[in-house]
Amino acid sequence: ILNVEQSPQSLHVQEGDSTNFTCSFPSSNFYALHWYRWETAKSPEALFVMTLNGDEKKKGRISATLNTKEGYSYLYIKGSQPEDSATYLCALKNYGGSQGNLIFGKGTKLSVKP
Amino acid sequence: DVKVTQSSRYLVKRTGEKVFLECVQDMDHENMFWYRQDPGLGLRLIYFSYDVKMKEKGDIPEGYSVSREKKERFSLILESASTNQTSMYLCASSRGQSLNEKLFFGSGTQLSVL
Repeated sequence: ILNVEQSPQSLHVQEGDSTNFTCSFPSSNFYALHWYRWETAKSPEALFVMTLNGDEKKKGRISATLNTKEGYSYLYIKGSQPEDSATYLCALKNYGGSQGNLIFGKGTKLSVKP
Repeated sequence: DVKVTQSSRYLVKRTGEKVFLECVQDMDHENMFWYRQDPGLGLRLIYFSYDVKMKEKGDIPEGYSVSREKKERFSLILESASTNQTSMYLCASSRGQSLNEKLFFGSGTQLSVL
């Protein structure tokens, strides 16, 4: 059974702090790594889909890196704002898995205090 | 703006009732998915569909069935609801056959089975 691990489970930071969290996954048969942001009472929203080792993606103050050889991805938030408070999910797609299945981690819950 | 709409935000049902959760997407997406989210666990795939009238089991299909009679609509059916099916249910859709396409999610249905 494939396991996608996210750490930390939760994080409390002050407004203006920069923060980062980790998604770890089995590196064999890697195809793609997804990051989603899920704000309370809203729909999860895709941030990034990453496929290439060494890939870096950026969206505003949020960026992500990918290391498929060692099996991890980092998500960085620069200058956190209260509106960044959400649960951040990563999900793995492997070769050989069923077409539809992304394996999700349990998420990192970020709280940003004003 | 693309949209995935779930028919109910909150639902309360009795044990043994037949329950229908409806999901509609307006993006002409081929793929549609049903997930459940439980505290302390990652999103788990119940069923998905990659075409009209086509369906495949996910990780936890027991106690559920699905129906996709039209491309835009994907229904999740609890044949005889049980208390262990109390959960947050999320519908999602994605475009085409590429395995790195991001998911678009609905806002979820919180189902309580009493």
